Amino acid sequence: GQQLNQSPQSMFIQEGEDVSMNCTSSSIFNTWLWYKQDPGEGPVLLIALYKAGELTSNGRLTAQFGITRKDSFLNISASIPSDVGIYFCAGRNAGNNRKLIWGLGTSLAVNP
Amino acid sequence: GAGVSQSPSNKVTEKGKDVELRCDPISGHTALYWYRQSLGQGLEFLIYFQGNSAPDKSGLPSDRFSAERTGGSVSTLTIQRTQQEDSAVYLCASSLSATDTQYFGPGTRLTVL
Repeated sequence: GQQLNQSPQSMFIQEGEDVSMNCTSSSIFNTWLWYKQDPGEGPVLLIALYKAGELTSNGRLTAQFGITRKDSFLNISASIPSDVGIYFCAGRNAGNNRKLIWGLGTSLAVNP
Repeated sequence: GAGVSQSPSNKVTEKGKDVELRCDPISGHTALYWYRQSLGQGLEFLIYFQGNSAPDKSGLPSDRFSAERTGGSVSTLTIQRTQQEDSAVYLCASSLSATDTQYFGPGTRLTVL
């Protein structure tokens, strides 16, 4: 099935650094979601975006719904050790609003 | 608690055996999803329930996989004649409706020896 292109695949950063990851799609999306998965747990929703151009923050996290409706990015500022995990983007396209399409994830490691 | 629960948390089985995985969604959530996540991979959609019916079974990888949902609540994913390639974490999610936020359970880690 369709998947989103998520990059980078993995990141290893120093505590305090900012992080940026993004997702792109070949089709227009009407919803973008960013989830985080800790080891041994299911994904947890971080930020949901519903309008092109929308910029939404959740603490140190900021995500944007791209103007073209084919991309989204997630930024994490001033990273801390508990930011470690796998970050997934997911979205819904106009053709099937009930089905989430997922990226393959960005694995983040933070060196304290 | 009020979240999605799954059982068992871990299951080790021998190749060829059948397994049943259970999902208890959040109360009142009409939509329920099953996903499979292989080691280091993203989420692979398996099946979606709206109430007790499954309008989208497109992700089930073979006829060895089946799922049911009863009473608009608990769902069971059954894998018959398990194979080693079935080893993965099976995640369940529920949402208030099909277009609402999906909330995930902790998953069942299945290992087929």
